Amino acid sequence: DAGITQSPRHKVTETGTPVTLRCHQTENHRYMYWYRQDPGHGLRLIHYSYGVKDTDKGEVSDGYSVSRSKTEDFLLTLESATSSQTSVYFCAISESLASGDHNEQFFGPGTRLTVL
Amino acid sequence: SQKIEQNSEALNIQEGKTATLTCNYTNYSPAYLQWYRQDPGRGPVFLLLIRENEKEKRKERLKVTFDTTLKQSLFHITASQPADSATYLCAPGAGSSGGSYIPTFGRGTSLIVHP
Repeated sequence: DAGITQSPRHKVTETGTPVTLRCHQTENHRYMYWYRQDPGHGLRLIHYSYGVKDTDKGEVSDGYSVSRSKTEDFLLTLESATSSQTSVYFCAISESLASGDHNEQFFGPGTRLTVL
Repeated sequence: SQKIEQNSEALNIQEGKTATLTCNYTNYSPAYLQWYRQDPGRGPVFLLLIRENEKEKRKERLKVTFDTTLKQSLFHITASQPADSATYLCAPGAGSSGGSYIPTFGRGTSLIVHP
């Protein structure tokens, strides 16, 4: 497996509380991504990063913020968790974003988040 | 809007047969298409990438085709084994012609190989 870890692996929290998920990589890849995966929706991009302090929104960014202060770490924050944010969250990395050159994504093991 | 369609129903086949999974896309022209495998409780794992100017790509027992006229990619596993049972995701991505370079994932098709 590529050197990607996610923490925590499981979390149960209550509506309205802030939650931060961490993704850590040891591959020195430039691009990092946060996805959520829900039954019937597949993988949906939340935010991604193309460098330290450089981030952009994905398809389902409302209610989420991200930060990348170091190449190896990409944090996803739910400022005030809601039940609709109950999901499995995957972090991914890629070396490139070019068309078909080294842009395959390597995924972390996922974080299962439950918001009560 | 861009749409990616993969069979939502599971594909059940017998061991040794060839499994064929379909990925159809509409409203855009991807420059490449990736295929991933996902096992329950784990993150997707990259398998193959095919570019728009490639008709076919092979890797061991895997074969992918890319028909830009039909807007379709087919993913074949020959001599299938029970260990091939998993969900397979297709992920087309745009190139310099427009759209996002980041691949968009289909919902996946579950493959079940019976011994």
